[in-house]
Amino acid sequence: QVQLVQSGAEVKKPGSSVKVSCKASGGTFSSYAISWVRQAPGQGLEWMGGIIPIFGTANYAQKFQGRVTITTDESTSTAYMELSSLRSEDTAVYYCARGGELLRLDYFDYWGQGTLVTVSS
Amino acid sequence: QSALTQPASVSGSPGQSITISCTGTSSDVGSYNLVSWYQQHPGKAPKLMIYEVSKRPSGVSNRFSGSKSGNTASLTISGLQAEDEADYYCCSYAGSSTTVVFGGGTKLTVL
Repeated sequence: QVQLVQSGAEVKKPGSSVKVSCKASGGTFSSYAISWVRQAPGQGLEWMGGIIPIFGTANYAQKFQGRVTITTDESTSTAYMELSSLRSEDTAVYYCARGGELLRLDYFDYWGQGTLVTVSS
Repeated sequence: QSALTQPASVSGSPGQSITISCTGTSSDVGSYNLVSWYQQHPGKAPKLMIYEVSKRPSGVSNRFSGSKSGNTASLTISGLQAEDEADYYCCSYAGSSTTVVFGGGTKLTVL
């Protein structure tokens, strides 16, 4: 069974960066896209970007261009999302999610448990 | 502001059917049969309910169905049950530059 296990909660100062990890198990890592989706408190889901490990190039939502970096380490089946220049509005639960089929980025069949990132001075 | 428009809330009684709409544009919902729907209970990760407009993943009840007409996709839940009470989000592929967009979410209340 596929599992995505994310790193623990973080508290960050405004202006700093955060890096969240997502370790996959139970499936073939390289050929399935990993996306990052965030959810601010009481708000909806927001797609930030995604990557297909075997290709190595990430796509980012325009809103986050220049501030987010998504990478993977195929040797450990782990994806990473780094968000820089943090502000209070970035306080949210960040989810990683796997693409539903090989090389597909448009829907997500497995999700991580979520990582709460709190940005506060 | 979310890219796809959903009603903020819908409600229905047990056994009834409800439909949640998801309106996009000709650049996303209208151009691709790549609409998916997710159910989210409080404090939990989203769960895939429908993909490619109307396909159900293994294990999802056949009470859940999806459709699309023009720029609007819909999720229908028949035979409402108490455990269906949750937030529902639509999602659409939007081309290689924008890639994926979500709706704002709809809170379903089972009366």
